[in-house]
Amino acid sequence: GENVEQHPSTLSVQEGDSAVIKCTYSDSASNYFPWYKQELGKGPQLIIDIRSNVGEKKDQRIAVTLNKTAKHFSLHITETQPEDSAVYFCAASIPGSSNTGKLIFGQGTTLQVKP
Amino acid sequence: KAGVTQTPRYLIKTRGQQVTLSCSPISGHRSVSWYQQTPGQGLQFLFEYFSETQRNKGNFPGRFSGRQFSNSRSEMNVSTLELGDSALYLCASSPDRERANVLTFGAGSRLTVL
Repeated sequence: GENVEQHPSTLSVQEGDSAVIKCTYSDSASNYFPWYKQELGKGPQLIIDIRSNVGEKKDQRIAVTLNKTAKHFSLHITETQPEDSAVYFCAASIPGSSNTGKLIFGQGTTLQVKP
Repeated sequence: KAGVTQTPRYLIKTRGQQVTLSCSPISGHRSVSWYQQTPGQGLQFLFEYFSETQRNKGNFPGRFSGRQFSNSRSEMNVSTLELGDSALYLCASSPDRERANVLTFGAGSRLTVL
């Protein structure tokens, strides 16, 4: 079945540096790739998403890139701030369930931004 | 507008008991999905309801069930609780069929089974 691998599992950066988190998916028919941020005691919050007909999407300090050939997508956070510290999850839609709430998630990356 | 509301936020049960968790989606959202989050398995899809019908189901045993009401509110039930059912149960709603995979999550219900 569909599988999503996420790396690294932990990431520590200095405030102001950039952070990059990478995910690889297994089924080339997946067509929707969201990223979620989860803070302590809260549910995951959608921060950016990309569909398979787009190669890159940017929203202020956050960007996502998609390489369909290699079946991987990445989250880029520039000018990191302490409030960016959280757990980040990537996800992919499941072929055959594309327009549903069924997503497969990566294992998460704990990002620590040091002041 | 109000987000996704889950109740209760915390609960403790013992093995063999059953539990019912409630989820109120964002007003106007008709799709509700449930996920289980554990440190070992991460986020795993349980099931999804759309217009009171179960549209998708994950790979969980039949002890896990759910339903959706006409006002889109949803409940999930776990019967004969096991220690391994301890987890954060997350509900997410999405606006319509075309954007059913754009999920807004609630804060979750943390279940501890003793």
